[in-house]
Amino acid sequence: GQSLEQPSEVTAVEGAIVQINCTYQTSGFYGLSWYQQHDGGAPTFLSYNALDGLEETGRFSSFLSRSDSYGYLLLQELQMKDSASYFCAKGGGNTPLVFGKGTRLSVIA
Amino acid sequence: DAMVIQNPRYQVTQFGKPVTLSCSQTLNHNVMYWYQQKSSQAPKLLFHYYDKDFNNEADTPDNFQSRRPNTSFCFLDIRSPGLGDAAMYLCATSAGGGKVAFFGQGTRLTVV
Repeated sequence: GQSLEQPSEVTAVEGAIVQINCTYQTSGFYGLSWYQQHDGGAPTFLSYNALDGLEETGRFSSFLSRSDSYGYLLLQELQMKDSASYFCAKGGGNTPLVFGKGTRLSVIA
Repeated sequence: DAMVIQNPRYQVTQFGKPVTLSCSQTLNHNVMYWYQQKSSQAPKLLFHYYDKDFNNEADTPDNFQSRRPNTSFCFLDIRSPGLGDAAMYLCATSAGGGKVAFFGQGTRLTVV
C-alpha cells in the first residue's frame, strides 16, 4: 500500500525540540521527504532521505531507517513561526510523491 | 520569482458546470502532479505526468481529467463539479529522478 502514518497533532514549547515520527509501507519506496505547510499556503520542501541516517539542514533534521520503515523530522530551537502542518511523503525518482496525513504542530510560548 | 504558477487562486463554479484549473511552470521539469487537498487533510494525488506519460490514481473519480499539451502547462478539468469537489487543488513539479517537488500556491475551488 501507499500509507504513511504520523501523529495528527503535536504541541511543543518555544525554544524546545520536537520530533515528528513517520512510518511507511515499503511498496514503491524510493525516499522519504518532509514538507511544511502553513494554513492557506502550499507545501514547501524541508528535507529528504534516501539512505539510512541523519540529514541536517539548519534547525531541521530528518532521519531514516529503511530496515524499520521509519523516519522522523526533528525541529530544534522551536519558533512560533514553526507552527504549521508537517507531512512526510514517500516517492522521488520515477515514483510519484504520496503524502502522509500530516502532523499539526502548535508551538506555544 | 514564481516557478509554479496556478491560475486562478480562487475559483467559484456552479454545481455541474465544467471548470478548468491551470498550472504552468518555468522549471522545465518533466514530472507534473495534481493534488486535491481538503481542509485539515493531506494532499491527495489525483494524477501525475512523467513527460507525456499520464498516470491516473486508481481512486481518482472519472469526473476529473487532465491535459498536458507541453512541458510547461498542465490543466485539470472537472467535468461536472459536485459539492464534494470543493477543495484546494495543488499543482507540483519535479525533475525526473529528483527528490524535491515544487508546489504552486493552489487554486481554491468553491462549488455553489
